[in-house]
Amino acid sequence: AQSVTQLDSQVPVFEEAPVELRCNYSSSVSVYLFWYVQYPNQGLQLLLKYLSGSTLVKGINGFEAEFNKSQTSFHLRKPSVHISDTAEYFCAVAPNAGNNRKLIWGLGTSLAVNP
Amino acid sequence: DGGITQSPKYLFRKEGQNVTLSCEQNLNHDAMYWYRQDPGQGLRLIYYSQIVNDFQKGDIAEGYSVSREKKESFPLTVTSAQKNPTAFYLCASSIPTGNYNSPLHFGNGTRLTVT
Repeated sequence: AQSVTQLDSQVPVFEEAPVELRCNYSSSVSVYLFWYVQYPNQGLQLLLKYLSGSTLVKGINGFEAEFNKSQTSFHLRKPSVHISDTAEYFCAVAPNAGNNRKLIWGLGTSLAVNP
Repeated sequence: DGGITQSPKYLFRKEGQNVTLSCEQNLNHDAMYWYRQDPGQGLRLIYYSQIVNDFQKGDIAEGYSVSREKKESFPLTVTSAQKNPTAFYLCASSIPTGNYNSPLHFGNGTRLTVT
């Protein structure tokens, strides 16, 4: 079975500062990894995904994430945040083999960007 | 533009009443999903459907029912048997389960309040 841990439930940061949102996972099989963003009172949208290949993945809105297999992590980073990045961020994993490929979600990290 | 429409955005019901949440997509996706979101609990899968006239229970299906009579539509009924129905409900769709080159597309959610 898989599990996802988002290590920080809330991350406050000042505008133009760098940010890292941490995600660790546990799985006995290889996985695909995703970050989704949810703006207030809206649905989720995909920020980026790791399926295979380069471990550094670039997404929308200037975000990137690095897959670290040895540390089973997929941390999300942005070098300089804007007020508009204030949102809830979800990490998710799915096994890339077997019959049960259901997405497993983390509990989310609330990013608050302050002026 | 293609997308997922959930209606209504806000819904209020008295305890003991069944209520149906609408979800329509024009993305021509085969798979559709219903998630429930509660503060601090992330997303929990209620039901999913990979093809018309077929659906499977997710992790928290008790007290809910669905139908999938048309590819575009996947309504969710919250029955009086659901002990704690007040929540934010999200509908999503994708190319069939297991194809993770295609992300989940989400609607903007329905916030259900039962008193």
